[in-house]
Amino acid sequence: ETGVTQSPTHLIKTRGQQVTLRCSSQSGHNTVSWYQQALGQGPQFIFQYYREEENGRGNFPPRFSGLQFPNYSSELNVNALELDDSALYLCASTLGRTGETQYFGPGTRLLVL
Amino acid sequence: AQSVTQLDSHVSVSEGTPVLLRCNYSSSYSPSLFWYVQHPNKGLQLLLKYTSAATLVKGINGFEAEFKKSETSFHLTKPSAHMSDAAEYFCVVSSSYNQGGKLIFGQGTELSVKP
Repeated sequence: ETGVTQSPTHLIKTRGQQVTLRCSSQSGHNTVSWYQQALGQGPQFIFQYYREEENGRGNFPPRFSGLQFPNYSSELNVNALELDDSALYLCASTLGRTGETQYFGPGTRLLVL
Repeated sequence: AQSVTQLDSHVSVSEGTPVLLRCNYSSSYSPSLFWYVQHPNKGLQLLLKYTSAATLVKGINGFEAEFKKSETSFHLTKPSAHMSDAAEYFCVVSSSYNQGGKLIFGQGTELSVKP
């Protein structure tokens, strides 16, 4: 176990709805990254937050947004859900802006109908 | 830009035989490389990492990987497979050092272990 927790574990939404996923980082970690893993593929980087500021973003549209709170927990928000947003969403935490060893949570599986 | 290519989408071995999962990388500078494992319906677990120290890296559960710059490879090996090794394995490179360590994943190799 890495100490990174995510909620909820599973979620079903319909197209056009909005969703919020949550992540609590490992104790002492101040950087959180989010990844999307479609079925049968490797995870794709969505964005990273360091000390409540966005610190890099992958090739995802603006309807994917995030927040990091003073306790370093984080949220991923997705608006106007599309069928292709169905995936496993993984959160990873690390220490420092350039910390490289990222510790992953168990993920939230999102199904969009 | 950094990238990784996992050369096999699926590898099948018998229990007790060696495991070899192949990975080639592309990087414009000395990379940080990782292998992660993902068991069904689980998150990702770090097996090992290379960060420009010793080229032979030992990880958990008897896995190791060798960084070969001349071949741009970072293959994962284990001398003797166990049934519990059956999982998806990802070779990963870290993006440029000034981008906060964004991870770039390969497509994954599914390892099956036959009794």
